[in-house]
Amino acid sequence: NAGVTQTPKFQVLKTGQSMTLQCAQDMNHEYMSWYRQDPGMGLRLIHYSVGAGITDQGEVPNGYNVSRSTTEDFPLRLLSAAPSQTSVYFCASSFVPGLASEQYFGPGTRLTVT
Amino acid sequence: AQTVTQSQPEMSVQEAETVTLSCTYDTSENNYYLFWYKQPPSRQMILVIRQEAYKQQNATENRFSVNFQKAAKSFSLKISDSQLGDTAMYFCAFITGGSEKLVFGKGTKLTVNP
Repeated sequence: NAGVTQTPKFQVLKTGQSMTLQCAQDMNHEYMSWYRQDPGMGLRLIHYSVGAGITDQGEVPNGYNVSRSTTEDFPLRLLSAAPSQTSVYFCASSFVPGLASEQYFGPGTRLTVT
Repeated sequence: AQTVTQSQPEMSVQEAETVTLSCTYDTSENNYYLFWYKQPPSRQMILVIRQEAYKQQNATENRFSVNFQKAAKSFSLKISDSQLGDTAMYFCAFITGGSEKLVFGKGTKLTVNP
């Protein structure tokens, strides 16, 4: 199993550009989520999905869109990049949300918006 | 609001010594899980240890153990016989029953010195 994969690993965008961060998992996990990590802030939840066709907002959803058309994929879209979106982005997945299920993290994408 | 507080932004320890990282959390729920994640310089998030709130016995994983004080809402991580490979950011996190959202602290940067 590849686990959770993310592409690209690094990306530089200009303000106003759009792009999609890709996330895929091959563990048949129902739950997937996106976090951003900023210095001194820990990881903050952006969006999450409890299954194909179902998404919901996390703590910091503004400026980001998600969709979940398949169990395997959960892309994160930046519609109009802003410097405040410079961050490291992590995708995670687990069998089910909540208590007993360990979340598996991807390797992260470092995004810089200039 | 559910929060996690890690009061030590940075710590250092000599190789082979023991170090304890602090974590407190705030929730009104009675059913939840607590986690410690390690993030080495590679950026990969690695689950170190987890604790079920309903279990009184403290969790242990080899050199890693926790001191879970439910009444005090405290969940500290003890690393025994510290190794150079333990150098990393450590994040405390928890998730409550009925929630799909994992809440992270801001992290403690641990450096193990030779």
